[in-house]
Amino acid sequence: NAGVTQTPKFRVLKTGQSMTLLCAQDMNHEYMYWYRQDPGMGLRLIHYSVGEGTTAKGEVPDGYNVSRLKKQNFLLGLESAAPSQTSVYFCASSPGKGPSGETQYFGPGTRLLVL
Amino acid sequence: GDSVTQMEGPVTLSEEAFLTINCTYTATGYPSLFWYVQYPGEGLQLLLKATKADDKGSNKGFEATYRKETTSFHLEKGSVQVSDSAVYFCALSGYGGYNKLIFGAGTRLAVHP
Repeated sequence: NAGVTQTPKFRVLKTGQSMTLLCAQDMNHEYMYWYRQDPGMGLRLIHYSVGEGTTAKGEVPDGYNVSRLKKQNFLLGLESAAPSQTSVYFCASSPGKGPSGETQYFGPGTRLLVL
Repeated sequence: GDSVTQMEGPVTLSEEAFLTINCTYTATGYPSLFWYVQYPGEGLQLLLKATKADDKGSNKGFEATYRKETTSFHLEKGSVQVSDSAVYFCALSGYGGYNKLIFGAGTRLAVHP
């Protein structure tokens, strides 16, 4: 079991460039999430999905888009990167139901630097 | 809105010392409470959780009790090891459903031999 994987691990962008971060999970989880981690601020929810074909906004959605065309994949897109989007991005998934339904499983993170 | 407040770090301890990391929360309703740990260069992993008042979560020698009257979920360990060095995040769920988590800022723990 690979769990939750993220691609790429590290990326440098110039302001205005676009990119897509890929998250994949092999646990058949219903719910998936994208967070950003900034110093002194903990993790903040960007977008989430409660099933294939669904997406919803989290706490800090501006400047990001997401898609969940397949249950196991959750993509995070930056259409026009800005220096304020320099951060570490974490993907997570959770079963959604059952006694451990609330537990989230995290990927290793993607470090993004926008110049 | 819902929020989580953790004690600021870093916390620096000698091996075998007692650890307490304070966490308090503000929430409507009755959220579940969590402690997640992030080891250097890794993602977060669940350390322990409690789903209702007076529940005690425990794992790997760490404990935390869900105190509704003081809205707290303090993390404790009786004897820390160098391998416990990490960043610890307190979090709550239940906000708006769908298991969304609200995290505290994190507390860095450094344990020296």
